[in-house]
Amino acid sequence: DTAVSQTPKYLVTQMGNDKSIKCEQNLGHDTMYWYKQDSKKFLKIMFSYNNKELIINETVPNRFSPKSPDKAHLNLHINSLELGDSAVYFCASSQDAHAGELFFGEGSRLTVL
Amino acid sequence: DAKTTQPTSMDCAEGRAANLPCNHSTISGNEYVYWYRQIHSQGPQYIIHGLKNNETNEMASLIITEDRKSSTLILPHATLRDTAVYYCIVRVHGTSYGKLTFGQGTILTVHP
Repeated sequence: DTAVSQTPKYLVTQMGNDKSIKCEQNLGHDTMYWYKQDSKKFLKIMFSYNNKELIINETVPNRFSPKSPDKAHLNLHINSLELGDSAVYFCASSQDAHAGELFFGEGSRLTVL
Repeated sequence: DAKTTQPTSMDCAEGRAANLPCNHSTISGNEYVYWYRQIHSQGPQYIIHGLKNNETNEMASLIITEDRKSSTLILPHATLRDTAVYYCIVRVHGTSYGKLTFGQGTILTVHP
Protein backbone atom coordinates (compact mmCIF):
# COMPACT_ATOMS: atom_id res chain seq x y z
CA ASP A 1 0.00 0.00 0.00
CA THR A 2 1.90 3.03 -1.30
CA ALA A 3 2.21 5.86 1.21
CA VAL A 4 2.59 8.71 -1.30
CA SER A 5 1.37 7.94 -4.78
CA GLN A 6 1.58 10.08 -7.89
CA THR A 7 -0.08 9.75 -11.26
CA PRO A 8 0.89 9.61 -13.98
CA LYS A 9 4.39 8.22 -13.63
CA TYR A 10 5.29 9.34 -17.15
CA LEU A 11 3.85 12.18 -19.16
CA VAL A 12 4.91 13.19 -22.68
CA THR A 13 3.23 16.22 -24.21
CA GLN A 14 3.65 19.06 -26.66
CA MET A 15 4.65 22.61 -25.87
CA GLY A 16 1.69 24.80 -25.11
CA ASN A 17 -0.48 22.04 -23.68
CA ASP A 18 -1.94 21.97 -20.19
CA LYS A 19 -1.37 18.97 -17.97
CA SER A 20 -1.97 17.84 -14.40
CA ILE A 21 -0.16 15.55 -12.00
CA LYS A 22 -2.04 14.10 -9.06
CA CYS A 23 -0.74 13.13 -5.65
CA GLU A 24 -2.33 11.32 -2.77
CA GLN A 25 -0.97 10.34 0.62
CA ASN A 26 -2.50 7.81 3.00
CA LEU A 27 -0.27 8.59 5.97
CA GLY A 28 -2.67 11.00 7.63
CA HIS A 29 -0.14 13.81 7.26
CA ASP A 30 -1.08 17.46 7.42
CA THR A 31 1.49 18.81 4.99
CA MET A 32 2.23 18.08 1.36
CA TYR A 33 4.86 19.33 -1.09
CA TRP A 34 5.83 19.47 -4.70
CA TYR A 35 9.52 19.26 -5.60
CA LYS A 36 11.08 19.53 -9.03
CA GLN A 37 14.20 17.65 -10.11
CA ASP A 38 15.72 19.03 -13.27
CA SER A 39 18.07 17.42 -15.77
CA LYS A 40 21.06 18.27 -13.57
CA LYS A 41 19.39 16.30 -10.78
CA PHE A 42 18.95 19.27 -8.46
CA LEU A 43 15.89 18.91 -6.24
CA LYS A 44 14.07 22.13 -5.49
CA ILE A 45 10.91 22.78 -3.56
CA MET A 46 8.08 24.39 -5.47
CA PHE A 47 5.07 24.46 -3.18
CA SER A 48 3.90 23.32 0.19
CA TYR A 49 0.40 23.03 1.60
CA ASN A 50 -0.54 22.56 5.21
CA ASN A 51 -4.12 21.46 5.82
CA LYS A 52 -5.09 22.67 2.35
CA GLU A 53 -3.47 26.07 2.89
CA LEU A 54 -0.51 27.24 0.78
CA ILE A 55 2.50 27.90 3.00
CA ILE A 56 5.42 27.79 0.56
CA ASN A 57 5.53 29.18 -2.95
CA GLU A 58 9.08 29.28 -4.21
CA THR A 59 8.71 31.89 -6.98
CA VAL A 60 7.33 29.35 -9.37
CA PRO A 61 5.81 30.75 -12.61
CA ASN A 62 2.08 31.42 -12.51
CA ARG A 63 1.64 28.68 -15.09
CA PHE A 64 2.03 26.25 -12.20
CA SER A 65 -1.03 26.03 -9.99
CA PRO A 66 -1.23 23.59 -7.12
CA LYS A 67 -4.58 22.58 -5.74
CA SER A 68 -5.32 20.78 -2.51
CA PRO A 69 -8.94 19.59 -2.31
CA ASP A 70 -8.25 17.99 1.04
CA LYS A 71 -5.16 17.36 3.13
CA ALA A 72 -4.60 13.94 1.58
CA HIS A 73 -4.38 15.27 -1.96
CA LEU A 74 -2.17 17.82 -3.68
CA ASN A 75 -2.44 18.17 -7.43
CA LEU A 76 -0.22 20.16 -9.74
CA HIS A 77 -1.64 21.77 -12.84
CA ILE A 78 0.68 23.26 -15.44
CA ASN A 79 -0.58 25.59 -18.16
CA SER A 80 1.12 26.41 -21.45
CA LEU A 81 3.89 23.89 -21.02
CA GLU A 82 7.40 24.93 -22.04
CA LEU A 83 10.47 22.88 -22.91
CA GLY A 84 12.07 23.93 -19.63
CA ASP A 85 9.27 22.32 -17.66
CA SER A 86 10.65 18.92 -18.56
CA ALA A 87 11.70 17.38 -15.27
CA VAL A 88 10.77 14.83 -12.66
CA TYR A 89 8.18 16.16 -10.24
CA PHE A 90 8.06 14.65 -6.77
CA CYS A 91 5.22 14.88 -4.33
CA ALA A 92 5.98 14.51 -0.64
CA SER A 93 4.23 14.69 2.69
CA SER A 94 5.18 15.23 6.31
CA GLN A 95 3.37 14.88 9.59
CA ASP A 96 3.16 18.63 10.03
CA ALA A 97 4.56 21.80 8.53
CA HIS A 98 7.67 21.81 10.70
CA ALA A 99 8.71 18.20 10.34
CA GLY A 100 11.98 17.45 8.60
CA GLU A 101 11.12 13.87 7.76
CA LEU A 102 9.43 13.92 4.41
CA PHE A 103 7.95 10.96 2.60
CA PHE A 104 8.35 11.19 -1.14
CA GLY A 105 6.43 9.64 -3.97
CA GLU A 106 8.07 7.83 -6.86
CA GLY A 107 8.04 10.88 -9.09
CA SER A 108 6.32 11.87 -12.32
CA ARG A 109 8.59 12.33 -15.32
CA LEU A 110 7.29 15.10 -17.56
CA THR A 111 8.71 15.46 -21.05
CA VAL A 112 7.71 18.46 -23.11
CA LEU A 113 8.42 18.18 -26.85
CA ASP B 1 19.90 27.03 6.47
CA ALA B 2 23.64 26.30 6.51
CA LYS B 3 25.36 25.05 3.42
CA THR B 4 26.87 21.57 3.26
CA THR B 5 29.80 20.12 1.32
CA GLN B 6 30.00 16.47 0.33
CA PRO B 7 32.36 14.49 -1.91
CA THR B 8 30.96 14.02 -5.38
CA SER B 9 31.31 10.26 -5.35
CA MET B 10 32.50 7.32 -3.27
CA ASP B 11 32.93 3.61 -3.71
CA CYS B 12 32.37 0.85 -1.21
CA ALA B 13 32.70 -2.91 -1.31
CA GLU B 14 29.61 -4.93 -0.53
CA GLY B 15 29.49 -6.00 3.09
CA ARG B 16 31.87 -3.30 4.23
CA ALA B 17 30.95 -0.14 6.09
CA ALA B 18 30.26 2.91 3.97
CA ASN B 19 31.30 6.16 5.66
CA LEU B 20 29.90 9.25 3.98
CA PRO B 21 31.30 12.58 5.19
CA CYS B 22 29.61 15.93 5.22
CA ASN B 23 31.04 19.32 6.07
CA HIS B 24 28.73 21.96 7.54
CA SER B 25 31.17 24.39 9.09
CA THR B 26 28.65 27.25 9.27
CA ILE B 27 26.00 25.28 11.12
CA SER B 28 24.09 27.16 13.79
CA GLY B 29 23.28 25.91 17.26
CA ASN B 30 19.65 25.20 16.43
CA GLU B 31 20.27 23.45 13.12
CA TYR B 32 19.91 19.72 12.73
CA VAL B 33 21.74 17.48 10.29
CA TYR B 34 19.47 15.40 8.07
CA TRP B 35 20.43 12.63 5.67
CA TYR B 36 18.37 11.49 2.74
CA ARG B 37 19.18 9.19 -0.14
CA GLN B 38 17.80 8.79 -3.62
CA ILE B 39 18.03 5.45 -5.32
CA HIS B 40 17.96 5.64 -9.09
CA SER B 41 14.47 6.41 -10.48
CA GLN B 42 12.95 6.65 -7.01
CA GLY B 43 11.96 9.48 -4.72
CA PRO B 44 14.27 10.64 -1.93
CA GLN B 45 14.14 8.58 1.24
CA TYR B 46 14.72 9.87 4.74
CA ILE B 47 17.54 8.08 6.57
CA ILE B 48 18.33 9.79 9.85
CA HIS B 49 18.80 13.13 11.57
CA GLY B 50 20.54 14.49 14.63
CA LEU B 51 21.50 17.62 16.52
CA LYS B 52 24.70 16.89 18.41
CA ASN B 53 24.51 13.39 19.82
CA ASN B 54 25.29 10.39 17.71
CA GLU B 55 22.19 8.68 16.39
CA THR B 56 21.47 5.18 15.18
CA ASN B 57 18.47 3.56 13.59
CA GLU B 58 17.81 0.46 11.55
CA MET B 59 19.25 2.03 8.43
CA ALA B 60 22.36 3.86 9.53
CA SER B 61 24.37 5.67 12.18
CA LEU B 62 25.05 9.38 12.27
CA ILE B 63 28.22 10.63 13.90
CA ILE B 64 28.42 14.37 14.52
CA THR B 65 31.70 15.93 15.61
CA GLU B 66 31.83 17.74 18.91
CA ASP B 67 32.09 21.14 17.24
CA ARG B 68 29.22 20.08 14.94
CA LYS B 69 31.07 21.33 11.88
CA SER B 70 31.03 17.96 10.20
CA SER B 71 29.26 14.63 10.34
CA THR B 72 29.52 11.12 8.94
CA LEU B 73 26.75 8.83 7.85
CA ILE B 74 27.66 5.20 8.37
CA LEU B 75 26.01 2.31 6.59
CA PRO B 76 27.46 -0.56 8.63
CA HIS B 77 27.16 -3.34 6.05
CA ALA B 78 26.61 -1.85 2.63
CA THR B 79 24.68 -3.85 0.07
CA LEU B 80 24.25 -3.34 -3.66
CA ARG B 81 20.84 -1.83 -2.91
CA ASP B 82 22.54 0.98 -1.01
CA THR B 83 23.90 2.38 -4.27
CA ALA B 84 22.31 5.82 -4.38
CA VAL B 85 22.87 9.54 -4.11
CA TYR B 86 23.19 10.54 -0.45
CA TYR B 87 22.22 14.05 0.60
CA CYS B 88 23.37 15.77 3.75
CA ILE B 89 21.05 18.65 4.67
CA VAL B 90 21.24 21.12 7.49
CA ARG B 91 17.96 22.56 8.65
CA VAL B 92 16.53 24.39 11.60
CA HIS B 93 14.30 21.90 13.36
CA GLY B 94 10.76 22.95 13.86
CA THR B 95 10.83 25.72 11.30
CA SER B 96 11.43 26.13 7.58
CA TYR B 97 8.09 24.45 6.95
CA GLY B 98 9.73 21.20 5.85
CA LYS B 99 11.75 23.06 3.27
CA LEU B 100 14.70 20.81 2.58
CA THR B 101 17.49 22.34 0.52
CA PHE B 102 19.14 19.53 -1.42
CA GLY B 103 22.71 19.94 -2.68
CA GLN B 104 24.50 17.76 -5.19
CA GLY B 105 24.97 14.91 -2.73
CA THR B 106 27.42 12.01 -2.84
CA ILE B 107 26.99 9.26 -5.38
CA LEU B 108 27.73 6.07 -3.47
CA THR B 109 28.45 3.02 -5.57
CA VAL B 110 28.52 -0.31 -3.77
CA HIS B 111 30.31 -2.96 -5.80
CA PRO B 112 30.44 -6.73 -5.38
